[in-house]
Amino acid sequence: GIQVEQSPPDLILQEGANSTLRCNFSDSVNNLQWFHQNPWGQLINLFYIPSGTKQNGRLSATTVATERYSLLYISSSQTTDSGVYFCAVERDSNYQLIWGAGTKLIIKP
Amino acid sequence: DVKVTQSSRYLVKRTGEKVFLECVQDMDHENMFWYRQDPGLGLRLIYFSYDVKMKEKGDIPEGYSVSREKKERFSLILESASTNQTSMYLCASSFLRGGNYGYTFGSGTRLTVV
Repeated sequence: GIQVEQSPPDLILQEGANSTLRCNFSDSVNNLQWFHQNPWGQLINLFYIPSGTKQNGRLSATTVATERYSLLYISSSQTTDSGVYFCAVERDSNYQLIWGAGTKLIIKP
Repeated sequence: DVKVTQSSRYLVKRTGEKVFLECVQDMDHENMFWYRQDPGLGLRLIYFSYDVKMKEKGDIPEGYSVSREKKERFSLILESASTNQTSMYLCASSFLRGGNYGYTFGSGTRLTVV
């Protein structure tokens, strides 16, 4: 089956810093998404990005499907960006997402 | 905004009890999912449904069943709760129409089986 690897596993930054989170996947995918889970457990979908680049405020994501990786950029980090960022891919249009283990981000004031 | 509502935020049940976790979404999404999330194990799919009365097993269906009698409601049933089912349970719904895609989670139910 498809393997999804995220790096780094943990990241601690000062407020205002920029960060890049990476997601590698082992096979072709139909769908790739980025999620943020806040410290209270709520999961929010950030991007649906099977290929190309998207931006939403301070966050942007790029997926290079031919090289099987995706990057999530966070600029000018705020304490509210803390939490766990997950990458998830879909195999074969059967609705099932395969999840990475996540990157735990801590933004210090 | 799409809303996915889970009936309980915290739940404590006794071993052997039959437990119902309810999930309702308000945006006519076709697909609904039940996950459990455990420290160190990430999110694992229990069951999903892509239409009313349809259900598919995910990665860890053992000990669980589901029901989807109406499009907006997807129920997870623990037939006989056990302590190893203590976990955070997350419901989600999704759609893909005309190139637009959405995947929305509920706020989760933290179930403790004693």
